[in-house]
Amino acid sequence: TQLLEQSPQFLSIQEGENLTVYCNSSSVFSSLQWYRQEPGEGPVLLVTVVTGGEVKKLKRLTFQFGDARKDSSLHITAAQTGDTGLYLCAGERGNNRLAFGKGNQVVVIP
Amino acid sequence: EPEVTQTPSHQVTQMGQEVILRCVPISNHLYFYWYRQILGQKVEFLVSFYNNEISEKSEIFDDQFSVERPDGSNFTLKIRSTKLEDSAMYFCASFRVNTEAFFGQGTRLTVV
Repeated sequence: TQLLEQSPQFLSIQEGENLTVYCNSSSVFSSLQWYRQEPGEGPVLLVTVVTGGEVKKLKRLTFQFGDARKDSSLHITAAQTGDTGLYLCAGERGNNRLAFGKGNQVVVIP
Repeated sequence: EPEVTQTPSHQVTQMGQEVILRCVPISNHLYFYWYRQILGQKVEFLVSFYNNEISEKSEIFDDQFSVERPDGSNFTLKIRSTKLEDSAMYFCASFRVNTEAFFGQGTRLTVV
């Protein structure tokens, strides 16, 4: 059973368009993190959200944590080719152990 | 900026051989983890290490696996007798207390 479901698994869009990807769970998390992973490299932390309903912005990326702390979304405004990558969400349930979703593979076409 | 370093970047080994994967975590971090990612699949937790002992391990981390922090800086993952299904990217991560994880670049293990 997947603890964290990420959707869509694959998304291809034109440069300049907006996109939203989702990370959903039936479990409550004390914190949730978003990472970006390039092929053959380790995940790189983008953001941590802790409070239900929290919204964090990182340039053109907007991250939202659900009110119930079970889900999160990542919205990219005016996508650029450099945004191409695998976006991973990871939830922590108070034991310092992260559980990862399978990821959202985003491809931005020039 | 401090980073987690892993060596080697790629290891090819015969089935049944022992391998040791090495990691140098960020020096002031307290929690150390090994994760693995089989090609095309999600990142899976293997083991966590705190205060010089294993604090938690997954069902993947069976008797063939062991971890050590032999000298206070290196953090190693040993697989005693490798199997074909052990082929994966292995990532070391170290955590600050507030659970923001920093990952190494990974070691690609290929068992033939």
